[in-house]
Amino acid sequence: GNSVTQMEGPVTLSEEAFLTINCTYTATGYPSLFWYVQYPGEGLQLLLKATKADDKGSNKGFEATYRKETTSFHLEKGSVQVSDSAVYFCALRFSQGGSEKLVFGKGTKLTVNP
Amino acid sequence: GAGVSQSPSNKVTEKGKDVELRCDPISGHTALYWYRQSLGQGLEFLIYFQGNSAPDKSGLPSDRFSAERTGGSVSTLTIQRTQQEDSAVYLCASSVRGYGNTIYFGEGSWLTVV
Repeated sequence: GNSVTQMEGPVTLSEEAFLTINCTYTATGYPSLFWYVQYPGEGLQLLLKATKADDKGSNKGFEATYRKETTSFHLEKGSVQVSDSAVYFCALRFSQGGSEKLVFGKGTKLTVNP
Repeated sequence: GAGVSQSPSNKVTEKGKDVELRCDPISGHTALYWYRQSLGQGLEFLIYFQGNSAPDKSGLPSDRFSAERTGGSVSTLTIQRTQQEDSAVYLCASSVRGYGNTIYFGEGSWLTVV
């Protein structure tokens, strides 16, 4: 089946630290991959996406590369800010029997301290 | 508005009552999803609508849950005879068809069953 596994949190970092949140997936076919972010008290927002192997998604200093050989889509940021504190969800979207589903990882809570 | 709109934003109901949650997707989006976000359970797919096609109901947890989408636009998720375990945030999302396209989420309806 199609599934996503992401590193469990919570993750606590100091401002300007380097961030990696690991995400691996299992999929049949060629899914698209996404990172969504949920800030405290807000809804889910798309952070970045990649639709084919070797694509790199980037936004707000965050990056993730679609690695087919390792079935991974790790999220990275070189220097985190307090405002990056949120829950991050890795997700894959696939087509199956006429339906299109988005499957999420369990989420990783990031706290950045000043 | 420009985004996915959901109502009510908060609903407290007594166990055994029926509730209806409404979703107004982004104009022109033919795909519409309902997800449930429970504490500690992550994001759970419930149902998928695509245009006039038969919906994918494979994620509905029991026959107490149903959803409809009228005129290919507004959707209503109905939960009959609510139970305490139904307490969660119910998220609606919409997109243009195509699994590489972004799925946009509403702010959610927070349901509490007492």
